Amino acid sequence: NAGVTQTPKFQVLKTGQSMTLQCAQDMNHEYMSWYRQDPGMGLRLIHYSVGAGITDQGEVPNGYNVSRSTTEDFPLRLLSAAPSQTSVYFCASSSWQGHEQYFGPGTRLTVT
Amino acid sequence: AQTVTQSQPEMSVQEAETVTLSCTYDTSESDYYLFWYKQPPSRQMILVIRQEAYKQQNATENRFSVNFQKAAKSFSLKISDSQLGDAAMYFCAYRSGGINDMRFGAGTRLTVKP
Repeated sequence: NAGVTQTPKFQVLKTGQSMTLQCAQDMNHEYMSWYRQDPGMGLRLIHYSVGAGITDQGEVPNGYNVSRSTTEDFPLRLLSAAPSQTSVYFCASSSWQGHEQYFGPGTRLTVT
Repeated sequence: AQTVTQSQPEMSVQEAETVTLSCTYDTSESDYYLFWYKQPPSRQMILVIRQEAYKQQNATENRFSVNFQKAAKSFSLKISDSQLGDAAMYFCAYRSGGINDMRFGAGTRLTVKP
């Protein structure tokens, strides 16, 4: 089991560029989530999905889009990158029964 | 919305000693789960321990144990026999029983002195 994988590990974007952060899990988990981690603020939920074809907004969704076409994949799209989106991004997944979330290794994104 | 508060931005402990990290939360729900995650410099989020709100017994995992006070909405983590490898950021997290929303505290940076 690879668990939760994320690509890329590091990315530098210019303001206004778009990109997609990839996330995949091989544990057949129904739930998948995206978080951002900023210094002094812990992790904040961006978007989440409770199954293929179903997504919903979290605490800080503005500037991000998601889709869930398969159980395994949950990409996060930055539509027009802004310096305020400089952060570390984590993807996570969980089963209904487990409740604890399993995290990917994170992506450090810098927007200049 | 539920909030999670970690009032200790930084803590330090001597190797082999015991340290307690504090966490309080605010909720009106009765069905929920609480977690402590460890984040070492590698950035990987690692589950340390979990507690179901309906369980009165405090969870224990080897050297890690919690003091869960449901009425006081308090969920502290005790690390016994601290080791150098315990040095990390520790995050307290709350998850409602019914939905996927997980709320994190701001974290406590733990330093272990040899």
